[in-house]
Amino acid sequence: GESVGLHLPTLSVQEGDNSIINCAYSNSASDYFIWYKQESGKGPQFIIDIRSNMDKRQGQRVTVLLNKTVKHLSLQIAATQPGDSAVYFCAENKAPSNSGYALNFGKGTSLLVTP
Amino acid sequence: DTGVSQDPRHKITKRGQNVTFRCDPISEHNRLYWYRQTLGQGPEFLTYFQNEAQLEKSRLLSDRFSAERPKGSFSTLEIQRTEQGDSAMYLCASSLAANEKLFFGSGTQLSVL
Repeated sequence: GESVGLHLPTLSVQEGDNSIINCAYSNSASDYFIWYKQESGKGPQFIIDIRSNMDKRQGQRVTVLLNKTVKHLSLQIAATQPGDSAVYFCAENKAPSNSGYALNFGKGTSLLVTP
Repeated sequence: DTGVSQDPRHKITKRGQNVTFRCDPISEHNRLYWYRQTLGQGPEFLTYFQNEAQLEKSRLLSDRFSAERPKGSFSTLEIQRTEQGDSAMYLCASSLAANEKLFFGSGTQLSVL
């Protein structure tokens, strides 16, 4: 079936370095993608989103890149800080769907920032 | 704090008991979603409301599960005759419009003994 998946389950980076988290998706009908951050014991927290008519979007210290040709999404975090340590999920909308465009999540990448 | 509230935060119950969770979405959001998350996995879609209408249910939502949103505001998720496999984090989310970002609550962690 169609799914969202992540290339690496864990990523360890040094404080101050840039982090890149990758995600592959297989539903060519998806037109909306989101990255969430989840800390232990908390719900997912929105980071940044991108629609399929764009290939790059920037936020504060974060950039999302979308490559529709190879169905690949990435999250770049600049100058990674200890507070960035968390599990990161990419998600795609369930298009076409009658589910109000509920999101389909991947398994997540655990980011560990070391001093 | 996203503005989505869930209660209780934790629930421990014995197998066979019924449990009910509550979600209060962001007030102007008419779309409300329930997800389930097990350890090491991403959230899995359970069901979706637009106002008071339940428009889609996942195959994950067995007949022991029922969700309501009677006045189009808060929602409840009830699990009857709980099983150990029901142990998970139950997440509620809301959104302002279709195909927009979801705002999640902190979840209810259910442990079935």
